[in-house]
Amino acid sequence: NAGVTQTPKFQVLKTGQSMTLQCAQDMNHEYMSWYRQDPGMGLRLIHYSVGAGITDQGEVPNGYNVSRSTTEDFPLRLLSAAPSQTSVYFCASSAPAGQGVAFFGQGTRLTVV
Amino acid sequence: DQQVKQNSPSLSVQEGRISILNCDYTNSMFDYFLWYKKYPAEGPTFLISISSIKDKNEDGRFTVFLNKSAKHLSLHIVPSQPGDSAVYFCAASAQGSNYKLTFGKGTLLTVNP
Repeated sequence: NAGVTQTPKFQVLKTGQSMTLQCAQDMNHEYMSWYRQDPGMGLRLIHYSVGAGITDQGEVPNGYNVSRSTTEDFPLRLLSAAPSQTSVYFCASSAPAGQGVAFFGQGTRLTVV
Repeated sequence: DQQVKQNSPSLSVQEGRISILNCDYTNSMFDYFLWYKKYPAEGPTFLISISSIKDKNEDGRFTVFLNKSAKHLSLHIVPSQPGDSAVYFCAASAQGSNYKLTFGKGTLLTVNP
């Protein structure tokens, strides 16, 4: 079972560059979300989606865009990378009936120099 | 304002003894609580959860206790094993918003052989 797959696993960007972090899930979950983890900060919600075509902002959305054209995919776009976006990014999916139990991908470690 | 607090950044216990990880929350709208376990370079994995209508939930060596009046929950691991060494995150969701999890900062548990 693949579950939630994130690509790439590692990425180094220069300040000002843009890129897309990919996330795909094969569990037919309606809900998908992106979190970032910084040292000593836990996981913070960036954006989330409750279904195809529906997205909304989380706690720390600035500098990121998302779209959800299919149930399976939920890409996260960095528009103009900044050093403050250096972090580990996790994608997660969950089912409405699953009481919020989210399944996470393995993460993307992003460094912005 | 941190809505989910894990005040102990780290905890060290001996193999075979009990590990107790604590979590406090401030948002009265939270009605579902989860514990996640995270190994280095991996995504968080779901461990155990509890609904606000219960005060205890058990799954093998893991038990979560909820004290609603004190807005406090704890995770007990008995007996602790070296493989339990990981970062443990407490998370919460609000009724009708179980697609959004609010995480604590995590507690690093080290179980010494």
